[in-house]
Amino acid sequence: AQSVTQLDSHVSVSEGTPVLLRCNYSSSYSPSLFWYVQHPNKGLQLLLKYTSAATLVKGINGFEAEFKKSETSFHLTKPSAHMSDAAEYFCVVSDGYGGATNKLIFGTGTLLAVQP
Amino acid sequence: GAVVSQHPSRVICKSGTSVKIECRSLDFQATTMFWYRQFPKQSLMLMATSNEGSKATYEQGVEKDKFLINHASLTLSTLTVTSAHPEDSSFYICSAPEGQGANLEAFFGQGTRLTVV
Repeated sequence: AQSVTQLDSHVSVSEGTPVLLRCNYSSSYSPSLFWYVQHPNKGLQLLLKYTSAATLVKGINGFEAEFKKSETSFHLTKPSAHMSDAAEYFCVVSDGYGGATNKLIFGTGTLLAVQP
Repeated sequence: GAVVSQHPSRVICKSGTSVKIECRSLDFQATTMFWYRQFPKQSLMLMATSNEGSKATYEQGVEKDKFLINHASLTLSTLTVTSAHPEDSSFYICSAPEGQGANLEAFFGQGTRLTVV
């Protein structure tokens, strides 16, 4: 069975400093991994996804994540935080492409605060 | 990208009444849609998989008679919370997959915040 663990429930950074949101996964299969962002009272937006291609995945808004099989990790990073990055971030695992027959398993989320 | 529209965004209802939430894929067809529930400060939990033209598949512990799902067309799935109680208050969100192969992606609605008083 798949599962995902987000190691930090809250992360606070200063504007302009790097962001690191940690995620570890467990999967019996070759997993697909995703990062979603949720702004207050809004739906989820896909930031990036890993589907067994390049291990370093670049997403929207300057975010990227690296798939490390040896560490079962898929941490999300951004070189320089912006105030608009303040939101909740979810690490998600699926046993396929996250499509019609594959369920998405969500982590518990990390709330990112960006201080001016 | 594809758009999934969910309505209403907020609803307040009295205990014992029923509430219907709609999830529409606006520019693509979705034979499958997923319904999630999110408690405050918690993650999204899959409730059920909605299948066009057939019965929904419910996750363990989800009461199918309480959370009625109808997927009558390729662009619309509805979730009806029947005889709602305060403990049903939550954020409900739907998703639909669109694309092919590695480009297959789940698109989410804006969510519905249900408050039962």
